[in-house]
Amino acid sequence: EVQLVESGGDLVHPGGSLRLSCAASGFTFSSYVMIWVRQAPGKGLEWVSKMNGSGNRIYYADSVKGRFTISRDNSKSTLSLQMNSLRVDDTAIYYCVKEVSYGLALEYWGQGTLVTVSS
Amino acid sequence: QSALTQPASVSGSPGQSITISCTGTGSDVGGYNFVSWYQHPPGKAPKLIIYDDTKRPSGVSNRFSASKSGNTASLTISGLQTEDEADYYCCSFAESSPYVFGSGTKVTVL
Repeated sequence: EVQLVESGGDLVHPGGSLRLSCAASGFTFSSYVMIWVRQAPGKGLEWVSKMNGSGNRIYYADSVKGRFTISRDNSKSTLSLQMNSLRVDDTAIYYCVKEVSYGLALEYWGQGTLVTVSS
Repeated sequence: QSALTQPASVSGSPGQSITISCTGTGSDVGGYNFVSWYQHPPGKAPKLIIYDDTKRPSGVSNRFSASKSGNTASLTISGLQTEDEADYYCCSFAESSPYVFGSGTKVTVL
């Protein structure tokens, strides 16, 4: 059974930093594209970042480019998101997501971790 | 990249069919066969219910079906059930972004 468990969400001041982690199990982690998606309170879903299995293809949404860094440790089946220069509008639930192997869709989602940026 | 346009809410009685539209442009919905749909119940993780415009993953009820015409994709829920109450999001590959989501539609079962 595929499981994705996020951790690291917290309350942080504007300008601060936070590191999210996602522990994956139930599939061959290194073979799959992994993604972060977020949902701000009362808002819709927003794609944040994407990394391929080997870690050499990385993409970011314009809203986080230059501030967030995605990474993965295939030996530990872990995906991470380093978030710097956090802003109030980064407040959201952050979901770790496994992409399908056969196209472009988001196959499995974690339960999410809440990041609150507030003074 | 702007969000794809969905109606804010759609409602129906048990057993009825409802359809949710998702309107984009030729640079996203209309330009690629990569529209997906997600069911997001309150307090739970989103679930993939449609991929590649019209395909249903294994295990997803056949009450969910989808179509696309030009720049507009549609999701139909047949035989509406109380368990179908959730937010529904479309999503498409776009020239400028691998994933562009719709604005979301709240489905209410009357």
